[in-house]
Amino acid sequence: DAGVIQSPRHEVTEMGQEVTLRCKPISGHNSLFWYRQTMMRGLELLIYFNNNVPIDDSGMPEDRFSAKMPNASFSTLKIQPSEPRDSAVYFCASSLGDRGREKLFFGSGTQLSVL
Amino acid sequence: GQNIDQPTEMTATEGAIVQINCTYQTSGFNGLFWYQQHAGEAPTFLSYNVLDGLEEKGRFSSFLSRSKGYSYLLLKELQMKDSASYLCAVRGDYKLSFGAGTTVTVRA
Repeated sequence: DAGVIQSPRHEVTEMGQEVTLRCKPISGHNSLFWYRQTMMRGLELLIYFNNNVPIDDSGMPEDRFSAKMPNASFSTLKIQPSEPRDSAVYFCASSLGDRGREKLFFGSGTQLSVL
Repeated sequence: GQNIDQPTEMTATEGAIVQINCTYQTSGFNGLFWYQQHAGEAPTFLSYNVLDGLEEKGRFSSFLSRSKGYSYLLLKELQMKDSASYLCAVRGDYKLSFGAGTTVTVRA
């Protein structure tokens, strides 16, 4: 299995630009999570999907952030417009099940730098 | 919500033992996880505890006391490759919340 695949690995953009991060979960997994990691705040959950449906987006910082999961094998996280404080590593993770006991498998992350 | 505390840094010598403590407060509990994260890489799963007691897996062991809101990760026979950040994470209903991580440095 290829694991969770994220793209791009690195993204450098200018303030005000739109940024789209992509994630392909492990085949057969039905839960998908987007996390953001910074030195100051650690790993923060942004949004959680179960069976392609957003269950909890309370971690999304503000309206500039949006996430979609059009099918079981693809999700996007979009930031529009981007700001320097959005600079972080964004991880996508997936798991099988929704009973809370399943371990997460993380992608390699996208290092986002907003100048 | 969840509040998870763990030490920021620990240093130990190759071949030694290190214990990383984690205390938590949570409104719901569906298990406690430990993840390892090497610099510049993604977190990877180490262990899971949902019942009180010790879970052993090779050189790594994890302990849980639900009544005390306490866990520890024990790393034995430390190797240089064990230098990494160790993240304590608590699952409430479905949400897995992470502590800030403990950076372990193994010295020769």
